[in-house]
Amino acid sequence: DGGITQSPKYLFRKEGQNVTLSCEQNLNHDAMYWYRQDPGQGLRLIYYSQIVNDFQKGDIAEGYSVSREKKESFPLTVTSAQKNPTAFYLCASSTSGAANEQFFGPGTRLTVL
Amino acid sequence: DAKTTQPPSMDCAEGRAANLPCNHSTISGNEYVYWYRQIHSQGPQYIIHGLKNNETNEMASLIITEDRKSSTLILPHATLRDTAVYYCIVRSMNTGFQKLVFGTGTRLLVSP
Repeated sequence: DGGITQSPKYLFRKEGQNVTLSCEQNLNHDAMYWYRQDPGQGLRLIYYSQIVNDFQKGDIAEGYSVSREKKESFPLTVTSAQKNPTAFYLCASSTSGAANEQFFGPGTRLTVL
Repeated sequence: DAKTTQPPSMDCAEGRAANLPCNHSTISGNEYVYWYRQIHSQGPQYIIHGLKNNETNEMASLIITEDRKSSTLILPHATLRDTAVYYCIVRSMNTGFQKLVFGTGTRLLVSP
């Protein structure tokens, strides 16, 4: 089955540690995205990538980093510079094109202790 | 991207139609209306989108007013599994990058 996988579903880290969230898609989509969601809030865009080896900052990129070395993979690193990292992180992908819908993964809930 | 306004919550009886409104009075001519939903602790799921004509798929119908300043998502026969937060989003069709601006949505509760 085609889709987007994120692992793990729950992740715990100590304050001050960097942590990398995995996102893999087998939909052959060019574009990939990372969003953050806080309780009772909508999604906010962290980073996006429209093509391999290229990515752009979204609205809340500070304290995060990404890479896009392969079309199917778009890992997100939450660094110690991110002041409030505890949140629900969602990865999405889409084909290129102005009106194409985004497909979302199941999300990773990160808790920093 | 245009801002949307949705009621924070709605209730619906199982088997009845759920009509979820969205206001997007500042929408411009080149912006689509998208609907997504998010079941608790899951990733959002695409439902439907449209530009000016009404649209229907296996999940829902989208009714866009003639002036395009508002729209309604219709779930014709709501089930308990339709309980979720529904997001109405508008975005431009002229940009290569597809940014979706999610508000707080409408929390739909379908009851037996």
